[in-house]
Amino acid sequence: EAQVTQNPRYLITVTGKKLTVTCSQNMNHEYMSWYRQDPGLGLRQIYYSMNVEVTDKGDVPEGYKVSRKEKRNFPLILESPSPNQTSLYFCASSLFRGNGETQYFGPGTRLLVL
Amino acid sequence: DAKTTQPNSMESNEEEPVHLPCNHSTISGTDYIHWYRQLPSQGPEYVIHGLTSNVNNRMASLAIAEDRKSSTLILHRATLRDAAVYYCITLRGGSGNTGKLIFGQGTTLQVKP
Repeated sequence: EAQVTQNPRYLITVTGKKLTVTCSQNMNHEYMSWYRQDPGLGLRQIYYSMNVEVTDKGDVPEGYKVSRKEKRNFPLILESPSPNQTSLYFCASSLFRGNGETQYFGPGTRLLVL
Repeated sequence: DAKTTQPNSMESNEEEPVHLPCNHSTISGTDYIHWYRQLPSQGPEYVIHGLTSNVNNRMASLAIAEDRKSSTLILHRATLRDAAVYYCITLRGGSGNTGKLIFGQGTTLQVKP
C-alpha cells in the first residue's frame, strides 16, 4: 500500500534532549516536506527536500534540522527541543514539486516538550 | 500563491449534496487549485485539484468559475465520514514554486445524520 509513515506517533520528552522523528515513503517520490500544526496558526512548512541531498528551509525552520540521504527517508531532527516546539508534526511527499502534484501526508507525530 | 477565502463552517445532512465555496480572486493563470481535507486526528488528505476545467474523481467534483476567481468543491452525497476541515489552496507554478501548501483556516464541515 502506498503510504507515508512517521515514527513515533506520540512522544513526550524534556527540554534539551535530542530527538529524531522519522518519515518514510514507499512511492519513490522526489519531493518531501515537514509541517507543524498549531491551534490558530494552521499548518506551516518547516523544511522541504526536492531530491536526495537537496533540502531547503520552509517558513519556520528555527530549531530543526533535516537530512535526505536516501530518497525514501526524510527525518526531522530536534537537536535541543524547547517547549515551543510542542506541536503536531506531519510529513508529506509528492512525486515532484510541481504545482499540479498530489501530496500525501503521514498520520502525524504529536510531540510534547516539557 | 493566491490568497483564498472560505466560510469558517458549513452544515449538511447525510446523503445530501454539499457545495463548499472558495474565493481566490488574485489567482494567476498558471496557479492550480487544490482541495485537501483533514479528518479529526488525521493528516491532511488530498481530495481533488484542477487548473481551468471542471474535474471529477471518486471523492468529489471541482467546479471552477470561468474567470477562475472562485471554485466550488462538490460532495455529491455527504456521509458522516466526510465531516472534516476542507482546505482550498492555490499553488503557483514556475521556478519560484517550492511545493509548499499554504493552509488557511479552511471550512469545517459538519454532517448531521
